Amino acid sequence: AQKITQTQPGMFVQEKEAVTLDCTYDTSDPSYGLFWYKQPSSGEMIFLIYQGSYDQQNATEGRYSLNFQKARKSANLVISASQLGDSAMYFCAMRESQAGTALIFGKGTTLSVSS
Amino acid sequence: GAVVSQHPSRVICKSGTSVKIECRSLDFQATTMFWYRQFPKQSLMLMATSNEGSKATYEQGVEKDKFLINHASLTLSTLTVTSAHPEDSSFYICSAVRGSLNYGYTFGSGTRLTVV
Repeated sequence: AQKITQTQPGMFVQEKEAVTLDCTYDTSDPSYGLFWYKQPSSGEMIFLIYQGSYDQQNATEGRYSLNFQKARKSANLVISASQLGDSAMYFCAMRESQAGTALIFGKGTTLSVSS
Repeated sequence: GAVVSQHPSRVICKSGTSVKIECRSLDFQATTMFWYRQFPKQSLMLMATSNEGSKATYEQGVEKDKFLINHASLTLSTLTVTSAHPEDSSFYICSAVRGSLNYGYTFGSGTRLTVV
């Protein structure tokens, strides 16, 4: 079974609008971390936001926020006020168990922002 | 902030030759490094985990004799693709963990390997 599921292969949004990228995860470990990365066409992995399984509040970083619904095992990324530069591939990832173990990635969502 | 330098960024090699990819943590000691492989428009697939001073742990289905990983120091891990074939053409990217921070994962900029 997939550990990280991203069901949207592609998403389209207009500049200045908000967009939600979906991510569900599967783990029986009570301690885990959820990450979102942006990968532009250059290939570099840009860290966006992190949510720990014990964090009470949803994580926010500037225009990025993570809608963490623990009971539903979902960790959707919300990008507010989209910009043309947001066009890229977005990956949801999970770290199970103790800190320092490998990240497991979802299949990614390609976001296209138009003017 | 933490920086991981990965070289080369692009390499083209002939079929049957070997290619070495380096990842260096520039401003921190990386006790653990991860190597991923990514095909176009696909996810990052974990190939192996390397710990300084010990043998790498390979994921199921990854040929350890083909993808040699060496983590000889706390700042350098290398991936050598031996006897490369066209099907090894891919994007390879490393990631280093800084200590035991919950979110201390830093990625290299990746290496695009083309085997002709």
